Amino acid sequence: NAGVTQTPKFQVLKTGQSMTLQCAQDMNHNSMYWYRQDPGMGLRLIYYSASEGTTDKGEVPNGYNVSRLNKREFSLRLESAAPSQTSVYFCASSEDSSGNTIYFGEGSWLTVV
Amino acid sequence: GEDVEQSLFLSVREGDSSVINCTYTDSSSTYLYWYKQEPGAGLQLLTYIFSNMDMKQDQRLTVLLNKKDKHLSLRIADTQTGDSAIYFCAESMEGSYIPTFGRGTSLIVHP
Repeated sequence: NAGVTQTPKFQVLKTGQSMTLQCAQDMNHNSMYWYRQDPGMGLRLIYYSASEGTTDKGEVPNGYNVSRLNKREFSLRLESAAPSQTSVYFCASSEDSSGNTIYFGEGSWLTVV
Repeated sequence: GEDVEQSLFLSVREGDSSVINCTYTDSSSTYLYWYKQEPGAGLQLLTYIFSNMDMKQDQRLTVLLNKKDKHLSLRIADTQTGDSAIYFCAESMEGSYIPTFGRGTSLIVHP
């Protein structure tokens, strides 16, 4: 049982390049999330998907797009990367909308130069 | 201002108790959580408490909730070097199940 799996773990991008962070969970969870973590800023929600077929903006959605491909997978896309998007990105999932059991992936370290 | 506030650092001696504090602003918070993040890893749920509870104990962990002051604390008894990590306080509100996280408290345990 892998839980929440993110790829890639590390990535360096040039300004203006695009890339997609992949996330999959094998716990049959309904809800999935993307957060970014910056030093001294804690976790900030980028986008979330309450259930398959729905996505909503979080606190910091600008510069990102998401796709809930199916119940298992929730991808995060940077269309034109900027240095301000240098961060650690975490995907997470929860069983239902009660929010009390959120499981996190190991994180993806992204550097934009 | 922030919804959830924590101090950024705490240093304790191995074997002592650690107390990590958190304040939140929304009185309609339903769940309050503590997560632990070890270096290079994701966040792991340590424990959570419903807003109608005052205290929850789980082995070395004790969570205290003061609803009047909107104050949450996590006490770790007999702190070990393996407890060194960042601890995040989070809240979620009825009708908005997504938790809001604090900035995290870095716990440093020294011999």
